[in-house]
Amino acid sequence: DSGVTQTPKHLITATGQRVTLRCSPRSGDLSVYWYQQSLDQGLQFLIQYYNGEERAKGNILERFSAQQFPDLHSELNLSSLELGDSALYFCASSVGPQGATDTQYFGPGTRLTVL
Amino acid sequence: AQSVTQLGSHVSVSEGALVLLRCNYSSSVPPYLFWYVQYPNQGLQLLLKYTSAATLVKGINGFEAEFKKSETSFHLTKPSAHMSDAAEYFCAVREPFGNEKLTFGTGTRLTIIP
Repeated sequence: DSGVTQTPKHLITATGQRVTLRCSPRSGDLSVYWYQQSLDQGLQFLIQYYNGEERAKGNILERFSAQQFPDLHSELNLSSLELGDSALYFCASSVGPQGATDTQYFGPGTRLTVL
Repeated sequence: AQSVTQLGSHVSVSEGALVLLRCNYSSSVPPYLFWYVQYPNQGLQLLLKYTSAATLVKGINGFEAEFKKSETSFHLTKPSAHMSDAAEYFCAVREPFGNEKLTFGTGTRLTIIP
């Protein structure tokens, strides 16, 4: 158990809908990362927050957004869902920008299926 | 831009045999390198990481990896495979400065033959 929790574990929805994925980082971690794992794209970095502020952005679609709240949990919002958004979404957390010592710990993921 | 290439999307070894999973990186500066393992229906677990200290890195479950700058490689090895090693393995790279995002390889699925 990494200490990172994600809810829900599974999510099935229809095209055009909007969903919210939730992540609670390990105790003491200030950075939260979101990654998408799909068969065709592999594991891709979406976005990183550090202590409530956006720190880095990757291949995140405009239909997707995220935020990190004062209690450090994070939510990833996916809207106008398409079939191709079906994937496993991972959250990871780390202490923060500490150079070599910073390690990302991954949650169990949320499997999103868009029908 | 940094990237990693994992040679062999599927590797099969017999139980007790050597495990060798290959990873080559591309980066303008010596990066930080990681190996993660993903068991079925689970998240990613860190096996080991290279952060510019010792070039031979020992990780959990008997795995180790050697950073070779001249070959831009960071191959993962284990002397004797166990049935419980069956999983998918991901090599990842991170720049030693700037943001902390990980760039992953495409993964190698390891099958252990009894």
